[in-house]
Amino acid sequence: EVQLVESGGGLVQSGGSLRLSCAASGFSFSRYKMIWVRQAPGKGLEWVSFIDSSGKRIFYADSVRGRFTISRDNAKNSLYLQMNSLRAEDTAVYHCAREDDDNGGFHFDNWGQGTLVTVSS
Amino acid sequence: QSALTQPPSASGSPGQSVTISCTGTSSDVGNYNYVSWYQQHPGKAPKVMIYDVNKRPSGIPDRFSGSKSGNTASLTVTGLQAEDEADYYCCSYGGRDNYLFGTGTKVTVL
Repeated sequence: EVQLVESGGGLVQSGGSLRLSCAASGFSFSRYKMIWVRQAPGKGLEWVSFIDSSGKRIFYADSVRGRFTISRDNAKNSLYLQMNSLRAEDTAVYHCAREDDDNGGFHFDNWGQGTLVTVSS
Repeated sequence: QSALTQPPSASGSPGQSVTISCTGTSSDVGNYNYVSWYQQHPGKAPKVMIYDVNKRPSGIPDRFSGSKSGNTASLTVTGLQAEDEADYYCCSYGGRDNYLFGTGTKVTVL
């Protein structure tokens, strides 16, 4: 069974940093592209970042570019999101998700439950 | 990178149909057949219901269908059931490995 489990969320002051992790199991993690998506309280989904299977192709949403860094360790079956210079508007539940490369990609077939990041001002 | 536009709410009685629109631009929805739809129940992770505009993942009932015309995609749920009450989000590939989600639609089964 595919499982994605996020961790690392918590309460941080504005300007601070956090590192989120996403532990993957039940599939060959190194074969799949991954993304981070966030959801502010009571709001919709927002795509945050993308990383390809090798970790060489990386993209960010304009709202986080220059402050967040996505990475992965295929040996540890783990995805990461380093978040620096955090702002109140970064407060959200952060989900990792797997791109469904078995069916052509460009959509996401498995999601984690998410980890809550709260930035206090 | 503006969000795709969805109506805030939609509703229907059990057995009826509901259609949700998702409007983007010629750079995203209109340019790629990579529109997907996600169902999210409160406190739960999103679940893909439709991908590539109109394909259903295995296990998704054929009551769910998708379509696209120009810059607008649509999700139709026929034969509404109580468990269909949820938030629905569209998502489109926007080029250069970035993605846009819709603003979300709350579907209520009356």
